[in-house]
Amino acid sequence: NAGVTQTPKFRVLKTGQSMTLLCAQDMNHEYMYWYRQDPGMGLRLIHYSVGEGTTAKGEVPDGYNVSRLKKQNFLLGLESAAPSQTSVYFCASREGLAVSYEQYFGPGTRLTVT
Amino acid sequence: DQQVKQNSPSLSVQEGRISILNCDYTNSMFDYFLWYKKYPAEGPTFLISISSIKDKNEDGRFTVFLNKSAKHLSLHIVPSQPGDSAVYFCAADDFAGGTSYGKLTFGQGTILTVHP
Repeated sequence: NAGVTQTPKFRVLKTGQSMTLLCAQDMNHEYMYWYRQDPGMGLRLIHYSVGEGTTAKGEVPDGYNVSRLKKQNFLLGLESAAPSQTSVYFCASREGLAVSYEQYFGPGTRLTVT
Repeated sequence: DQQVKQNSPSLSVQEGRISILNCDYTNSMFDYFLWYKKYPAEGPTFLISISSIKDKNEDGRFTVFLNKSAKHLSLHIVPSQPGDSAVYFCAADDFAGGTSYGKLTFGQGTILTVHP
């Protein structure tokens, strides 16, 4: 049981390049989330999904797209990377919405856009 | 507009003493509060939570206190241990609203250093 995994762990992009961050969970969780962490800002929600085939915008969605074609995977795409997207990206998943359900986080992807 | 604020970027305490981390929120719809702990190069892990119907929740060395009228919560760690050195994030959820879908609003984090 690997929990929540993220690929890649590190990436350097040039402005204008595109990439996809992969989040995978093996806990059969319904809900998945993408956050970004910036110094002095805490974690901010980018997009989230309440089930396979669904996605919704979070607090800071501009410049990102997501897809959840399979329940276990949640992909975050950057179509044209900008230096402002330099950040650490965390994926999380959750089995249900009752407060007893914990949100589990992946180890993060550190992205630098030059 | 930061709805959850942790105004102390860092805290340094001696091993065995109490660590008190503070968090303030502005959104009165928040009714469930959580603390997460994060080590370098790892994702945040859940530590302890509290519902707005309570004013205290205890789990071993960790206690969270909630003051709804002041919109303030605090995490107490007693006694503090060097292994507690990490970044602590406060988070909030509008659970009863039914539309949060588990989305959490995080504070900026506080770096706790516990010296041996």
